[in-house]
Amino acid sequence: DGGITQSPKYLFRKEGQNVTLSCEQNLNHDAMYWYRQDPGQGLRLIYYSQIVNDFQKGDIAEGYSVSREKKESFPLTVTSAQKNPTAFYLCASKVDRSTGTQYFGPGTRLTVL
Amino acid sequence: DQQVKQNSPSLSVQEGRISILNCDYTNSMFDYFLWYKKYPAEGPTFLISISSIKDKNEDGRFTVFLNKSAKHLSLHIVPSQPGDSAVYFCAAPNTGNQFYFGTGTSLTVIP
Repeated sequence: DGGITQSPKYLFRKEGQNVTLSCEQNLNHDAMYWYRQDPGQGLRLIYYSQIVNDFQKGDIAEGYSVSREKKESFPLTVTSAQKNPTAFYLCASKVDRSTGTQYFGPGTRLTVL
Repeated sequence: DQQVKQNSPSLSVQEGRISILNCDYTNSMFDYFLWYKKYPAEGPTFLISISSIKDKNEDGRFTVFLNKSAKHLSLHIVPSQPGDSAVYFCAAPNTGNQFYFGTGTSLTVIP
């Protein structure tokens, strides 16, 4: 089945540790995105990538890093520089730059202790 | 700078009645709009979309209306069902393929 997978569903880390969240898609989509959702807030864009080996900062990129070495993979690293890393992280993908729909993965809940 | 706004954080509706969720936008360059439905601890699922060349798009119980002059869109759910209880987000992409989301409206359908 085609889709977007994020693993793990729940992740716990100690303060000061970097952590990498996985996002894989087999939809052959060019564009991929990372969002963060906090209680009572909408989805805020962290980073997005239109094609392999290229990505752009979103509205809240500070304290995060990404890579796009393969079309199907867009991992997000939450670094120790991120002040409030505890949140629900969502990965999404879209066919290409043309008008179209973004599809989301199931999300990863990160808790920093 | 919130380019897409949902001013009602919550809405309660009786089962069988109509639910109307509203969304406003500020960027007149937006030409495509989407509605997503989200359950807690899950990713949003695409519900319905509308292009700016239309003022209405219907899919079963869901209809989206677009008023370009008012920069306003609304999602109508008729009839509302308990399974519709979720958070609904409206969204719009800019020309750079970056999506802007509203803050969401939590819909509760009361049996």
